[in-house]
Amino acid sequence: QVQLMQSGAVVKEPGSSVKVSCTASGGTFTDYAFSWVRQAPGQGLEWMGGILPIYNAAHYSQKFRDRVTITADESTSTAYMELKTLTSEDAATYYCARGGMAVAHWDFDLWGRGTLVTVSS
Amino acid sequence: EIVLTQSPATLSLSPGERATLSCTASQSISNYLAWYQQKPGQAPRLLIHDASNRAPGIPARFSGSGSGTDFTLTISSLEPEDFAVYYCQQRINWPPITFGQGTRLEI
Repeated sequence: QVQLMQSGAVVKEPGSSVKVSCTASGGTFTDYAFSWVRQAPGQGLEWMGGILPIYNAAHYSQKFRDRVTITADESTSTAYMELKTLTSEDAATYYCARGGMAVAHWDFDLWGRGTLVTVSS
Repeated sequence: EIVLTQSPATLSLSPGERATLSCTASQSISNYLAWYQQKPGQAPRLLIHDASNRAPGIPARFSGSGSGTDFTLTISSLEPEDFAVYYCQQRINWPPITFGQGTRLEI
């Protein structure tokens, strides 16, 4: 079954970092792009950045460029998103989303279930 | 950055009625627009890509139209499971990829 499995919910202190993983099952990992989209409670969707594993090329929203790093490990079919210097405004559900093949790389036809990041001291 | 503005913010309709949701881009995005449905506690689901192409498994009552700056998602006859939040998204001018603020479709 084709799916994206994300790491579990975490609680982080302000000023710390969080690293979320997204493991793809089914399909060829390098055929796709993987993006990270976050959603604060009761709010809309916000694209943070994405990566094309075949080129190992990551692209970021200017808003997050200084704090986020997106990587991919082809050997484990896993994409990662690390966000540094967390504040209360980073409390959100973080989704991994896949594009490519049936749709353009930057449309998202498969989503993970989301990872809840809570920021609290 | 391209801004997508969705209207209305909330749409109140009944099952069996027709729903028309709008998305306006701050500049032309050709047909590089997608629509997503999100239900409470769930991840978004792709409905339409490239403005008018239904994603696999999406019922025919969902249709998309438009190009340039003005786009529409139409649900021809609402089913109870269609009540959700709908987002549009553009990918022509990135980064960043941007989403609209959403339209809540409620009974």
